Order: sequence, then structure tokens, then C-alpha cells
Amino acid sequence: GEDVEQSLFLSVREGDSSVINCTYTDSSSTYLYWYKQEPGAGLQLLTYIFSNMDMKQDQRLTVLLNKKDKHLSLRIADTQTGDSAIYFCAESIPDKLIFGTGTRLQVFP
Amino acid sequence: DAMVIQNPRYQVTQFGKPVTLSCSQTLNHNVMYWYQQKSSQAPKLLFHYYDKDFNNEADTPDNFQSRRPNTSFCFLDIRSPGLGDAAMYLCATSTGVNQETQYFGPGTRLLVL
Repeated sequence: GEDVEQSLFLSVREGDSSVINCTYTDSSSTYLYWYKQEPGAGLQLLTYIFSNMDMKQDQRLTVLLNKKDKHLSLRIADTQTGDSAIYFCAESIPDKLIFGTGTRLQVFP
Repeated sequence: DAMVIQNPRYQVTQFGKPVTLSCSQTLNHNVMYWYQQKSSQAPKLLFHYYDKDFNNEADTPDNFQSRRPNTSFCFLDIRSPGLGDAAMYLCATSTGVNQETQYFGPGTRLLVL
């Protein structure tokens, strides 16, 4: 069955890099996504990576994909207090997204 | 430039009293989804519409139903809300169901008294 796992919490100092990790199980996923959710809000699409790519960079965000190990990571450079939120990775399968449990990122001054 | 709109943002209902949540989109996407997200949990897909074709997840309770009268609007009906149905309900849209990107609305938080 499909299962997506993430660590629950990450705490970083403002200005440092954050790395949020995710493992997934369905090797047929074509796309893997990162969404951000601020308190009381919906899901904001941050970035995604096509399964035949190893890396994708988008401004402060870098996504790394290790397809062999089914491991996905999101690196946020120069983390700011506004980056504090819950980050969900998701794998796509036909008709739906399977979400991880979310990683709560806390940024302190 | 709101693309996926959900109203209301907060909804309070009474135990057993039917409630309807609404979602609209300006993207002209073919697919609309409803997810339930309980506190500190991942969003869970309830069902989706591909155009007018309704697709229910196997474990979605019968208490939850949906209507899509046109491309732009989709409704979530909870026939007899229980305390366990209190959650954030998220609407999303995509162009298709072959793993296309999904765009989410801001969600409606439902409180059941």
C-alpha cells in the first residue's frame, strides 16, 4: 500500500538552512510534491519534482530525489521566521495524492 | 486573484444537523477534490469529480456526499455530522487525474457542537 513518512518536527535558527525529509513507497509516482500549510490555512504548493529528475532548484528551495531509496528532501536556504509552518510531501498516484504526516518547522531568532 | 475559493472559512453546526460546504474555482479545471484534514494529520481524500463523474474513496463514510452542478462549483454535504467530523475540509482542483498538480483552496474549518 501507499505510505509517506516524514519526521514530525524541525527547529532551526533564522538564517540557517532547513532540510525536511520524506520517504515514500510507490515507485510508480510520476510527480512528488511539497506543500506548505500555515496555521488555519489551506495547502500552498511550494514546488514539485518529476520522477526522472534528481534535483530541482527554485530560489531558496532545493528538492533532492533519490528514486532508488524512495527518499525526497526539501532544503530551504536562509530560513526566515515566515517559513514557520507545516510542510507536507505528497506522492502522486492516479486519481489522488498521498500525503505524509507533515513536518512542523519552527524558526527561532 | 483567488483561484480556488471556499466558503465559509469557518462553519459551526450542531450534532446531527445537515451542513453544506462550498467550493468554487476560476481555473476551469476538470477535476475537483474534497479532502478531510483532522488536527495534526495529513489530508485524506474523501472523493473527487472528473467533470460530472463522481469517484468515491472506499473508506469515505456514507454520511458524506457531494454535488457538482457545473464546472465551477462543488459542494460537500454532511448529512448528520458527528463530533468526529469536526475537521478542516479542503477543496482542490486539477486539470486531470493522471497525476496533474492539485491546487488547494484555503479550507473550511468545521466545528460540531
